[in-house]
Amino acid sequence: QVQLVQSGAAVKKPGASVKVSCKASGYIFTNYDVHWVRQATGQGLEWMGWMNPNSENTGYAQNFQGRVTMTRDTSISTAYMELSGLRSEDTAVYYCARGGFWGGSGYHFYMDVWGKGTTVTVSS
Amino acid sequence: QSVLTQPPSVSAAPGQKVTISCSGSSSNIGNTYVSWYQHLPGTAPKLLIYDNNKRPSGIPDRFSGSKSGTSATLDIAGLQTGDEADYYCGTWDTSLIAGVFGGGTKLTVL
Repeated sequence: QVQLVQSGAAVKKPGASVKVSCKASGYIFTNYDVHWVRQATGQGLEWMGWMNPNSENTGYAQNFQGRVTMTRDTSISTAYMELSGLRSEDTAVYYCARGGFWGGSGYHFYMDVWGKGTTVTVSS
Repeated sequence: QSVLTQPPSVSAAPGQKVTISCSGSSSNIGNTYVSWYQHLPGTAPKLLIYDNNKRPSGIPDRFSGSKSGTSATLDIAGLQTGDEADYYCGTWDTSLIAGVFGGGTKLTVL
């Protein structure tokens, strides 16, 4: 079945980097955009950015510009999100999700398949 | 402060209907497509509505979406206790060139 399997929880020190993986199965990986969304405890969903696995084009939310990098390895149908310069406020559950495409009248923004989430804790 | 504005909470009795609003601007909702998600604690968000009013397969027709101008709404009819969750709207912002979510609405089924 169609699924996204994310890497396990991580604990990092302030200033470090974390790289979360998201392995796709059950569909053609390069046919769908991959988005990354996070949720800090008690907060709402926050969109971080997207990547087109075919072209490797990316777009990042302003809040993460300069700190986030989204990449992929098509040979293993896996997307990656690396966040650097971690601070305590980055403690959150990070989700990858499939979906969205550019149509004639703009971007169809939706995510129809989600990973189960990766908890990243930033603590000294 | 979210780009899209949702009420923090709504409530209704089982069997009733509830409406969740999502207000934006001409650079987001007014110009592109809206999606809606249900999020239960400890689980991944679930897509309920995409392209303003389309339901993915498996989503019951109790859930419906609409858009008018710079606002969108999610209607949930025939409320069930299992519908208690947080609900988020999302869309693309053409000025930010970014995806944006509303702040979320907590639904309580009394």
